[in-house]
Amino acid sequence: GDSVTQMEGPVTLSEEAFLTINCTYTATGYPSLFWYVQYPGEGLQLLLKATKADDKGSNKGFEATYRKETTSFHLEKGSVQVSDSAVYFCALIRQGSNYKLTFGKGTLLTVNP
Amino acid sequence: SQTIHQWPATLVQPVGSPLSLECTVEGTSNPNLYWYRQAAGRGLQLLFYSVGIGQISSEVPQNLSASRPQDRQFILSSKKLLLSDSGFYLCAWRTRGQGETQYFGPGTRLLVL
Repeated sequence: GDSVTQMEGPVTLSEEAFLTINCTYTATGYPSLFWYVQYPGEGLQLLLKATKADDKGSNKGFEATYRKETTSFHLEKGSVQVSDSAVYFCALIRQGSNYKLTFGKGTLLTVNP
Repeated sequence: SQTIHQWPATLVQPVGSPLSLECTVEGTSNPNLYWYRQAAGRGLQLLFYSVGIGQISSEVPQNLSASRPQDRQFILSSKKLLLSDSGFYLCAWRTRGQGETQYFGPGTRLLVL
């Protein structure tokens, strides 16, 4: 079945550090890939997405590139801020699945001033 | 613009008591609706989805049920709560014909004691 594996947390960084959160997936066909973010006490918000190979999703300084050859969708940001502290979820939607999201377990990011 | 509401925001219930969580969507018609649960240490799991009134698909066997009595209303229920039902319940919607992205509500935090 479909699955998403993302790096275990927690991840703790200092402000302005470089961030990478690894995400790899297993799915048949060509799934669409997503990163969602959950700020403390809140629901999930879509951060970025990519729908085909080599697409790059970007938003709020975050980027992720859909790599079909490595089945990966790693999240990166060049300079994190304290306000980026949150849980980040990698997810996929497989074609023909009634648009059901399959999530990774989430990675807690804490950014210290 | 579309918005999604969930209530209550927080709920503490004794084991064996009934449950009813409600989700409503505004600003869209005939959406796909989804219930997810985020349990401690287990990530996000899809519980139910619905493509129309009265149409419910269950993803995992469990102590919960879902209903969709109106186009933009999705209800999660249980007759007798278990300790293992504790978690953060998220409702999501997707507008048909407008891509794959799902948008999430603020969630309901349920603690069963």
